[in-house]
Amino acid sequence: GQSLEQPSEVTAVEGAIVQINCTYQTSGFYGLSWYQQHDGGAPTFLSYNALDGLEETGRFSSFLSRSDSYGYLLLQELQMKDSASYFCAVTDGGFKTIFGAGTRLFVKA
Amino acid sequence: EADIYQTPRYLVIGTGKKITLECSQTMGHDKMYWYQQDPGMELHLIHYSYGVNSTEKGDLSSESTVSRIRTEHFPLTLESARPSHTSQYLCASSEYRTQETQYFGPGTRLLVL
Repeated sequence: GQSLEQPSEVTAVEGAIVQINCTYQTSGFYGLSWYQQHDGGAPTFLSYNALDGLEETGRFSSFLSRSDSYGYLLLQELQMKDSASYFCAVTDGGFKTIFGAGTRLFVKA
Repeated sequence: EADIYQTPRYLVIGTGKKITLECSQTMGHDKMYWYQQDPGMELHLIHYSYGVNSTEKGDLSSESTVSRIRTEHFPLTLESARPSHTSQYLCASSEYRTQETQYFGPGTRLLVL
C-alpha cells in the first residue's frame, strides 16, 4: 500500500529551528510537496521537491532524498504564527496526490 | 483576483437529503480535486478531474458524485446524506503541468444529523 509517515506533533520555541521529517512508500514518485494549514483554515502550498537536494524559500527550506524515500521541511527563526499543521504530500506514478497525516507544530514564547 | 470559491461554507442537514457542494475557480486551472478531511486528520482524495468531461475517483471510497461541464466549476453531490458524511470537504485546483502546487478553497463544513 501507499503510505507517508511524519511525526504527529513537534514543539519548539520562538526563534528556534525545527525540522519535520517525512518518509514515504508509494507506487511511483514524481515529487514531494509541503503544505501548511492553520486551525479552521485551508491548506496552503509551501514548497515542492522533484529532485534531490535542498530548496529554500525565505525562512522555509525543503529537502528530498529520492534514494532514501525521505524528505524534510526546515523552518527557521520560528514565529508564533508558524503554529499550524504541516502536511507532506507525494505525487505518485498515477499523478495522484497522497497526503500524510500531518504534523502539528506548537511554537512557544 | 484569481481565486477558488466554495459554497456553502457551513451546512447542517438531515439524513437522506440530497446536497450539492459548489466549487469554482477563476485561475483557468485544468485539474480540480475534492478532498475530505476530519478535524486534525489527513486529507483524503475522493474525486479529481483532468479537465472538462473528465472525472476520476480518488483513493477514498465515497458515495458522492462529481461533474465537470465547465473548466471553472466542479460540484460535488451527495444523493442521500448520512451522519457518516459529516466532515470538511475541501476543493482544490492546479495547473495540469504543476499539479503538485494545489490551491485550496476555504472548505465546506458539513454536519448531517
